[in-house]
Amino acid sequence: DQQVKQNSPSLSVQEGRISILNCDYTNSMFDYFLWYKKYPAEGPTFLISISSIKDKNEDGRFTVFLNKSAKHLSLHIVPSQPGDSAVYFCAASTSIQGAQKLVFGQGTRLTINP
Amino acid sequence: NAGVTQTPKFQVLKTGQSMTLQCAQDMNHEYMSWYRQDPGMGLRLIHYSVGAGITDQGEVPNGYNVSRSTTEDFPLRLLSAAPSQTSVYFCASSEGVYYGYTFGSGTRLTVV
Repeated sequence: DQQVKQNSPSLSVQEGRISILNCDYTNSMFDYFLWYKKYPAEGPTFLISISSIKDKNEDGRFTVFLNKSAKHLSLHIVPSQPGDSAVYFCAASTSIQGAQKLVFGQGTRLTINP
Repeated sequence: NAGVTQTPKFQVLKTGQSMTLQCAQDMNHEYMSWYRQDPGMGLRLIHYSVGAGITDQGEVPNGYNVSRSTTEDFPLRLLSAAPSQTSVYFCASSEGVYYGYTFGSGTRLTVV
């Protein structure tokens, strides 16, 4: 039972354009959503998060949108740069008695073309 | 500031052998977790800890043990290695979910 799904295994975008990565979830108990970026042979790096009580969070070139009714979130990268080429994971968190458990999607490989 | 340090980076085990993957963080984070990454499956939670002396199971705990005797260290033990445990293992720590988890660089384990 995949609670967090990233249905696009890969995405190719022209440098300078907008990259939009999508993620769907099924568990309405998730209280935080996060995006991570991963380069080969490295650990994931935290990019941005959003609380379930918000619908948008922005940090520089990165904006995360949350649509709770659709159980959908997206990450927008504007403008896209070659260094953004990586695998992006969305993750969702549940907090139970102080314990925070992350559930990850399968990842989307983003390629920025010059 | 080293962040999250995992050792070893690479390991080959024979089926049935046991070993411990080490994880240490120097950020005084209470929350620590172990994940494994397999192709097409994202990262799956093995075990996690909310503080010294407190651990619990994640999605895929079978075949693994953990303990948390100090805030800094969170080792993962493979009791009897199986080929299905071939994977990349990541340790992570956090001061709170809003701040995200800081991941180590991973241990690539192959069981033959």
